[in-house]
Amino acid sequence: QQQVKQSPQSLIVQKGGISIINCAYENTAFDYFPWYQQFPGKGPALLIAIRPDVSEKKEGRFTISFNKSAKQFSLHIMDSQPGDSATYFCAPKTQGGKLIFGQGTELSVKP
Amino acid sequence: EAGVAQSPRYKIIEKRQSVAFWCNPISGHATLYWYQQILGQGPKLLIQFQNNGVVDDSQLPKDRFSAERLKGVDSTLKIQPAKLEDSAVYLCASSFGTGPYEQYFGPGTRLTVT
Repeated sequence: QQQVKQSPQSLIVQKGGISIINCAYENTAFDYFPWYQQFPGKGPALLIAIRPDVSEKKEGRFTISFNKSAKQFSLHIMDSQPGDSATYFCAPKTQGGKLIFGQGTELSVKP
Repeated sequence: EAGVAQSPRYKIIEKRQSVAFWCNPISGHATLYWYQQILGQGPKLLIQFQNNGVVDDSQLPKDRFSAERLKGVDSTLKIQPAKLEDSAVYLCASSFGTGPYEQYFGPGTRLTVT
């Protein structure tokens, strides 16, 4: 059984602060490690992703840190904004294309 | 570029009734996925198609759920008969292939079974 554990379940951050969400996985057969963002009433949308041969990737205010030996990867949102308030999912991908979603983290950024 | 289209957006049915959802993927995308998202949880894959063939349906409750992909393009997901625990959002996604390609999700169909 492929397991993905995400934490925290919910997060409240002040505007301008740093949001950090963690994901731990058990299966070593994943070949791609994305984070998805979902707003109410919408489908998930890819935010940022990393390949397992890279330890860190930054795109604007969003950074993924990947620790292959610990089987963990995390999402950092710098200078968090109220518009970042959404639910975030880690969803490592199997070689067959299947995404295994975590339970989700509900982020609220207070102005 | 048009995104993944799904219809209907909302559906309310009574238990034991049947329901069908429709998905039109992004043009040129060979891989199509149906996910079930129960309130407060992450999406769970129900079935994956590559063109018009099934790649993975290991988590599809085959006694009540069925899906097909017509001519490798549009897809329908059917539930018959529905149970209360089928209440969820059904998401369709598509991608260029099964490699490290982005999966694009539609807006979903919210099903309520009463």
